[in-house]
Amino acid sequence: EVQLVESGGGLVQPGGSLRLSCVASGFTFSNYWMSWVRQAPGKGLEWVANIKQDGSDKYYVDSVTGRFTISRDNAKNSLYLQMNSLRAEDTTVYYCTRGRWTLDYWGQGTLVTVSS
Amino acid sequence: DIVMTQSPDSLAVSLGERATINCKSSQSILYTSNNKNSLGWYQQKPGQPPKLLIYWASTRGSGVPDRFSGSGSGTDFTLTISSLQAEDVAVYYCQQYYSTPYSFGQGTKLEIK
Repeated sequence: EVQLVESGGGLVQPGGSLRLSCVASGFTFSNYWMSWVRQAPGKGLEWVANIKQDGSDKYYVDSVTGRFTISRDNAKNSLYLQMNSLRAEDTTVYYCTRGRWTLDYWGQGTLVTVSS
Repeated sequence: DIVMTQSPDSLAVSLGERATINCKSSQSILYTSNNKNSLGWYQQKPGQPPKLLIYWASTRGSGVPDRFSGSGSGTDFTLTISSLQAEDVAVYYCQQYYSTPYSFGQGTKLEIK
């Protein structure tokens, strides 16, 4: 059974940093692109970033470019999102998803709240 | 960036009736390498993460009931639920993956009439 389990969310002050993690199981992690998608409370979905199987290609939405970094450790079946210079508008649930184009499995999400 | 616009924002349909949700992209999302449209549909029930329903505009995801179908090409797409069931109450999103950022539509809330 495919499972994606996010962690690392929480309350952080504006300008602060957080690192989200996602541990994958039930499939060969190193064979798949992985993505992060976020959703503000009561709002729609926003694609954030994705990363190629070997980490050599990464893409970001403009609003996080230069502040967020996606990475992975295939030996640990783990996906990461390093978030710096956090803003109030980054307050959302962050989902770890499998895939580059078709996002066929999603984690339950981790909530990040940016507030003073 | 490609903008995805769904209509309507909300929809109420009687059980057993057809539900139709539209999605329009601001430019063509036809992927010429395979002549398929780079569009997915997702279903999100309250308190749950989204679930993939349809990809390449018309291919059903694994385990998705055949009452769900996708159609369209170029810039105009449709998700159809042929006979609405109570468990289909959800918010539905389209997403283009033709070019980054892979944008979603704003969502359509589907309820029972």
